[in-house]
Amino acid sequence: AQKVTQAQTEISVVEKEDVTLDCVYETRDTTYYLFWYKQPPSGELVFLIRRNSFDEQNEISGRYSWNFQKSTSSFNFTITASQVVDSAVYFCALSEARPGGSYIPTFGRGTSLIVHP
Amino acid sequence: EPEVTQTPSHQVTQMGQEVILRCVPISNHLYFYWYRQILGQKVEFLVSFYNNEISEKSEIFDDQFSVERPDGSNFTLKIRSTKLEDSAMYFCARQSLGNTIYFGEGSWLTVV
Repeated sequence: AQKVTQAQTEISVVEKEDVTLDCVYETRDTTYYLFWYKQPPSGELVFLIRRNSFDEQNEISGRYSWNFQKSTSSFNFTITASQVVDSAVYFCALSEARPGGSYIPTFGRGTSLIVHP
Repeated sequence: EPEVTQTPSHQVTQMGQEVILRCVPISNHLYFYWYRQILGQKVEFLVSFYNNEISEKSEIFDDQFSVERPDGSNFTLKIRSTKLEDSAMYFCARQSLGNTIYFGEGSWLTVV
């Protein structure tokens, strides 16, 4: 069984602060994918990143960076110099290969990030 | 990368009525999914659809739900007799060749 834990329910920061959103996962598979999605107040789910289990290289995209550590089963997300537009709910998700080739993501409960001006 | 288009964006329906939510994948992928998110809660898997058949479904996806791809393009989720607890955002998603799951903008369903 796969499981994703986002222990932080809500984080509140002031603009320009750095913030890290935690994600811990459980899986018995050696092949899996990890995702982060952003859900702004408008409700859509916006894909941010996918990482496969064999690629532990950290990634940076502008103000966003991700730290994948298999040893601790964590896939944390850091926003540097946060902005008000970063205010959203952020979901971490895990998917394993299913019979037939589908990958069904299991989502964490999400972390609500509020960035104050 | 383009995602999927969902209609309607918002629907209000009376309890007991049938609802059809539609999804139009922009490109011809094999795997599609429906997810549900009750307001303020987690995103939950409903069903996966592969090659015009259901490949997996969750416990939530009971007999009142059905999916089909009637014309080989549109992908629909039907709720036969809506209940108050069906009020939620319903997301259609597609699986890319690289196994990334892209979601549509969602359809808000309000059952009154």
